[in-house]
Amino acid sequence: DQQVKQNSPSLSVQEGRISILNCDYTNSMFDYFLWYKKYPAEGPTFLISISSIKDKNEDGRFTVFLNKSAKHLSLHIVPSQPGDSAVYFCAASGPGSNYKLTFGKGTLLTVNP
Amino acid sequence: KAGVTQTPRYLIKTRGQQVTLSCSPISGHRSVSWYQQTPGQGLQFLFEYFSETQRNKGNFPGRFSGRQFSNSRSEMNVSTLELGDSALYLCASSVLGGPNQPQHFGDGTRLSIL
Repeated sequence: DQQVKQNSPSLSVQEGRISILNCDYTNSMFDYFLWYKKYPAEGPTFLISISSIKDKNEDGRFTVFLNKSAKHLSLHIVPSQPGDSAVYFCAASGPGSNYKLTFGKGTLLTVNP
Repeated sequence: KAGVTQTPRYLIKTRGQQVTLSCSPISGHRSVSWYQQTPGQGLQFLFEYFSETQRNKGNFPGRFSGRQFSNSRSEMNVSTLELGDSALYLCASSVLGGPNQPQHFGDGTRLSIL
């Protein structure tokens, strides 16, 4: 049972445009959500997080939006840069899972110059 | 500030052998978690250690075990290796684990089983 789903395996955008990566979850006990970026041959790098008491968190070019009623979150990258090309993982945790992270399977973002 | 360090980076073993992987967390981090990454299953949680005690466990067989030392360094052991154990094993640390704590990952150990 996949509790965190990233339905788009890949996404391609032009440099300077907005990238929107989506994530859905099924476990209503999740209350903390994170996005990680992963380059080949490296471990995931923490990007940004949001707790369930908020619906938006912003950090520079990265903004995460949370829609609790729809059990949906998204990561917006504006403007997209070629160096943003990587696999992006959505992750969630909460009291129901003893705060262990549950990951989606990732979305490969390619930003074309 | 040094990041999470995992050793070795690459390992090749044969079926039936056992293997030990090592993880040094970020200084001051007391929670260490281990994950297995495979192409088909993505990142799957193995277990978490805090203050030398296993605090959380995923759905992996007993062949997968771990421990944590008093300096928060952690080791993971896999016995009786199977072909399906070929994966990237990632270690992550956080200050205390628990709610609202981002985890910081090492670069992983790539384990190949022949």
